[in-house]
Amino acid sequence: QKEVEQNSGPLSVPEGAIASLNCTYSDRVSQSFFWYRQYSGKSPELIMSIYSNGDKEDGRFTAQLNKASQYVSLLIRDSQPSDSATYLCAGGGITGGGNKLTFGTGTQLKVEL
Amino acid sequence: EADIYQTPRYLVIGTGKKITLECSQTMGHDKMYWYQQDPGMELHLIHYSYGVNSTEKGDLSSESTVSRIRTEHFPLTLESARPSHTSQYLCASRRTSGSSYNEQFFGPGTRLTVL
Repeated sequence: QKEVEQNSGPLSVPEGAIASLNCTYSDRVSQSFFWYRQYSGKSPELIMSIYSNGDKEDGRFTAQLNKASQYVSLLIRDSQPSDSATYLCAGGGITGGGNKLTFGTGTQLKVEL
Repeated sequence: EADIYQTPRYLVIGTGKKITLECSQTMGHDKMYWYQQDPGMELHLIHYSYGVNSTEKGDLSSESTVSRIRTEHFPLTLESARPSHTSQYLCASRRTSGSSYNEQFFGPGTRLTVL
């Protein structure tokens, strides 16, 4: 099992809908989790971080962490065409003594008009 | 907003040239990283540094080398560029001491093309 796994997509949602992006992780990645947004040709931009079980909301974004099931998700409410990008899930923990984040391969999101 | 800078942003260079990609951060972060990413592909960690005078190779083998003489500066050097080195190079930094919120921020990247 990869340490951080994401479906590559593309995930297509209509404008105004809720986009749900999911990520699962192994026991080697267990302490902190991050969601990055990456537009084509640009560098990743941190949009959410989550450390505790439950939900964390920031504007239209909600991150959810379930340590028992080892998954972390990102919900985007009222999706806009500008949300179309690749979303990277990353986890920090045991790997590299906690010095390195482990990134998933990313899920491509397309928000259609 | 993250204060991490990379120069040059774009570089087109001939085979065999020596190049240095610059990365600087003004956040006082102890950890710094270099990633390589081809278009539409996943990130690959090629080098990282725990602090001054500490560097490690990453998960992906790379012919490049790095140095960390100052906290804020983490340059990457290719002694002899080849077309296979054509890629986007992303620098990142992270604070992992004194806080549980050890978020990692990326610079804007350097797009390298070797002819």
